[in-house]
Amino acid sequence: NAGVTQTPKFRVLKTGQSMTLLCAQDMNHEYMYWYRQDPGMGLRLIHYSVGEGTTAKGEVPDGYNVSRLKKQNFLLGLESAAPSQTSVYFCASSYSSNFRRESLSQYFGPGTRLLVL
Amino acid sequence: GQQVMQIPQYQHVQEGEDFTTYCNSSTTLSNIQWYKQRPGGHPVFLIQLVKSGEVKKQKRLTFQFGEAKKNSSLHITATQTTDVGTYFCAGRNGGSQGNLIFGKGTKLSVKP
Repeated sequence: NAGVTQTPKFRVLKTGQSMTLLCAQDMNHEYMYWYRQDPGMGLRLIHYSVGEGTTAKGEVPDGYNVSRLKKQNFLLGLESAAPSQTSVYFCASSYSSNFRRESLSQYFGPGTRLLVL
Repeated sequence: GQQVMQIPQYQHVQEGEDFTTYCNSSTTLSNIQWYKQRPGGHPVFLIQLVKSGEVKKQKRLTFQFGEAKKNSSLHITATQTTDVGTYFCAGRNGGSQGNLIFGKGTKLSVKP
C-alpha cells in the first residue's frame, strides 16, 4: 500500500494564480483532512471530509476550497493565491470514529511545499 | 474555542538525558494522541490515550493522560540521536467527530 500520497511535492506560484493540491489514500479511510503547517504554529486544520461528497470547514478555511468526489481523493484548491498561503500542506486520512475507537490515528502524506511570491 | 497548549517549544538535551513535553487542554478531552515529526518529514502517529489516568509505554517513551483528561505528557528516558524531531500532542473532544486539535509541538534536539 502506498498509504497517503500528495502531488505536487513543491510548487511556486505568483500572487493571484490558482492551483489544486491532490491527496490520495489507498487505505479505504472514510475521513480525510487538509492541514497547513507554519513555523511555530503547529498543524492547523483547513478543511476536512467525513465521507465521499461531504466537506466541512476547519480552523483556517478562508482562501481555500475542497472537493471529495471519490472516497480515495481529497482535493485542495487555491483560487487566488496570496503570499500568506506560503506554507507546507499536509493531507491526512483516518477511519471514522464509528468504526473502531482505537483506529482513529491519522495517517499523513509527505506534504506539499508551496511558495507564493 | 478549544485550545491545546504544549510546552516547552524547544528542548536541547545531551544524549542520554531525559526529556519531557507537556500538553494542556482548555477543555476535557475524549482522547489524546501523540505524533512525531522528523526534520523534513511528516507527522507519524505514536500512540492514543483514552482513559483517565492512563499510562502507556513504548520502549523508552512513557505517555500519560491526566486524571481530569485535560493534560498529558510524553517522557523519553535516556534520549538518543534518533529521538530528534518535533513531538505533537493532539486532543479530541467528544463534540468534534473526527477532528483533532494539535498543540504547536516541542522541537527536540539531541547533542551526541
